[in-house]
Amino acid sequence: NAGVTQTPKFQVLKTGQSMTLQCAQDMNHEYMSWYRQDPGMGLRLIHYSVGAGITDQGEVPNGYNVSRSTTEDFPLRLLSAAPSQTSVYFCASRLGRAGTYEQYFGPGTRLTVT
Amino acid sequence: AQTVTQSQPEMSVQEAETVTLSCTYDTSESDYYLFWYKQPPSRQMILVIRQEAYKQQNATENRFSVNFQKAAKSFSLKISDSQLGDAAMYFCAYRSTYGGSQGNLIFGKGTKLSVKP
Repeated sequence: NAGVTQTPKFQVLKTGQSMTLQCAQDMNHEYMSWYRQDPGMGLRLIHYSVGAGITDQGEVPNGYNVSRSTTEDFPLRLLSAAPSQTSVYFCASRLGRAGTYEQYFGPGTRLTVT
Repeated sequence: AQTVTQSQPEMSVQEAETVTLSCTYDTSESDYYLFWYKQPPSRQMILVIRQEAYKQQNATENRFSVNFQKAAKSFSLKISDSQLGDAAMYFCAYRSTYGGSQGNLIFGKGTKLSVKP
């Protein structure tokens, strides 16, 4: 198993550009989520999905869109990048929403918006 | 809403010594999960230890153990016989077992641990 993969690892955008951060898992996990990590702020939940076709907002959803058309993939879209979206982004997955299943994290994407 | 507080932004420990990282949380729920994650400079998030609130026994994983005080809403991490490889950022996290937010992790702001040789 590759686990949770994220692409790209690094990205630089100009203000106003759009892009999609890719996340994929090959463990047949139902639950997937996106977090952003900022210095001194810990990780904050952006969006999550409890299965294909089902998504919901987390703590900091503004400026981001998600969709979940397959169990494996959960892309995060920035429609019009802003400097405030400079951050490290983590995708995570877990077998199910409930229970003691371990949450697996991807390696992260460092995004800089200039 | 639940919150997680880590009051020590940075900690330092001598190699082979013991260090305790603090975490407090606020919740009105009676059943939940608590976690400690380690993030080394590689950025990878690594689960260190987990505690289920309904279990009174404190979790232990090799050199890592927790002191879970449910009434005080405290969940500290003790690292014994500290090693250079323990140097990392440590995050405390909470997960609800109820309602719409179950499954989502709520993180503290982290404690940066350095280990002196």
